[in-house]
Amino acid sequence: AQKITQTQPGMFVQEKEAVTLDCTYDTSDPSYGLFWYKQPSSGEMIFLIYQGSYDQQNATEGRYSLNFQKARKSANLVISASQLGDSAMYFCAMRDVRGTALIFGKGTTLSVSS
Amino acid sequence: DTGVSQNPRHKITKRGQNVTFRCDPISEHNRLYWYRQTLGQGPEFLTYFQNEAQLEKSRLLSDRFSAERPKGSFSTLEIQRTEQGDSAMYLCASSLIPSHSYEQYFGPGTRLTVT
Repeated sequence: AQKITQTQPGMFVQEKEAVTLDCTYDTSDPSYGLFWYKQPSSGEMIFLIYQGSYDQQNATEGRYSLNFQKARKSANLVISASQLGDSAMYFCAMRDVRGTALIFGKGTTLSVSS
Repeated sequence: DTGVSQNPRHKITKRGQNVTFRCDPISEHNRLYWYRQTLGQGPEFLTYFQNEAQLEKSRLLSDRFSAERPKGSFSTLEIQRTEQGDSAMYLCASSLIPSHSYEQYFGPGTRLTVT
């Protein structure tokens, strides 16, 4: 069965520092997609970045990059130059084998301090 | 493009009452999804529509839950005879298929509290 594991319940970082949020996944499907979402206290899930299993390069979107290690089945999110507004819950997710539902991990709470 | 909207944002109801939530997706999106999120957990898939057809329902969607998307635009999620265990955030998302990543765009959610 497909599964997403996020082992860090909480992470703390100072402004302007980089932080890595861990995500490992399990699937037997050779074709899959991995996503990261940010959920501020307001509740809305904000799409950050996507990595396809066949993409040759690691995805980047502004200050976000995805460290994709296929053999280790990991898809860690790297946030460079953290900002106070980055404080939120972060979820790693995988598209299911039918390409419909997203399967989410339990999330990591990121706290950025000044 | 105003994004995905959901109404109401908060709903408090007494056990046994019926509630209905509405979701308006991004206008050109053909897929609409419903998820439920309980405290400390990631969202869990409930059901999805492609245009007006409901193509999949999770086993989490008991007989007391029904969802519709009558004209392929907005969707409603109704819960009949609410139970305290239904207390959760109900999230709606939409996507455009086909696309490169099939990313789903989420609304702000409806937080349901059953007393």
